Amino acid sequence: GAVVSQHPSRVICKSGTSVKIECRSLDFQATTMFWYRQFPKQSLMLMATSNEGSKATYEQGVEKDKFLINHASLTLSTLTVTSAHPEDSSFYICSARKDRGDTQYFGPGTRLTVL
Amino acid sequence: QQQVKQSPQSLIVQKGGISIINCAYENTAFDYFPWYQQFPGKGPALLIAIRPDVSEKKEGRFTISFNKSAKQFSLHIMDSQPGDSATYFCAASIGETSGSRLTFGEGIQLTVNP
Repeated sequence: GAVVSQHPSRVICKSGTSVKIECRSLDFQATTMFWYRQFPKQSLMLMATSNEGSKATYEQGVEKDKFLINHASLTLSTLTVTSAHPEDSSFYICSARKDRGDTQYFGPGTRLTVL
Repeated sequence: QQQVKQSPQSLIVQKGGISIINCAYENTAFDYFPWYQQFPGKGPALLIAIRPDVSEKKEGRFTISFNKSAKQFSLHIMDSQPGDSATYFCAASIGETSGSRLTFGEGIQLTVNP
């Protein structure tokens, strides 16, 4: 149990386009989902925390208008990278937790390449 | 400011040996310390975690040692296997489980030679 999926696993897009990444909790309802960004050979950096039905909380330095997060249901959160540029190329990972005191379960990640 | 620092930056051990990865933290409010394993192109997976009220926790071949006064904790992998070759991250959070906001270390690449 406690499986988190992401779609797509890889995406290549042209500069200036927008890309949507989905994060789903497959066998549990996630009240909170987290979005991380990871550059090659670097650590995971938390971008934002989203609670179902409310606005996401963004970490300092993360542009909320560029990285749109929607957590419309207890099993789905989406991250949209708007007007993507090559510097947005990265590995995006989501995680989900059932309740406040529960463990975070991580998704497999999405590799975004912006040409 | 890097709140969680790992060492060494990379580690190579022989099959059957002991792998030791260290982590130091700065924020004394942290009270949950997990270790994650990540394979290339995959998300991190929780290996083992500890709270500051215990000094050691063992699960199979994995052991966490915790030193509250030194603000350090380490991961020991006994009988290391080639399949253990991966990137290992320590993390810390304020809260009882990893469901709270996690701060990750830089990660270290472990290579176990056959």
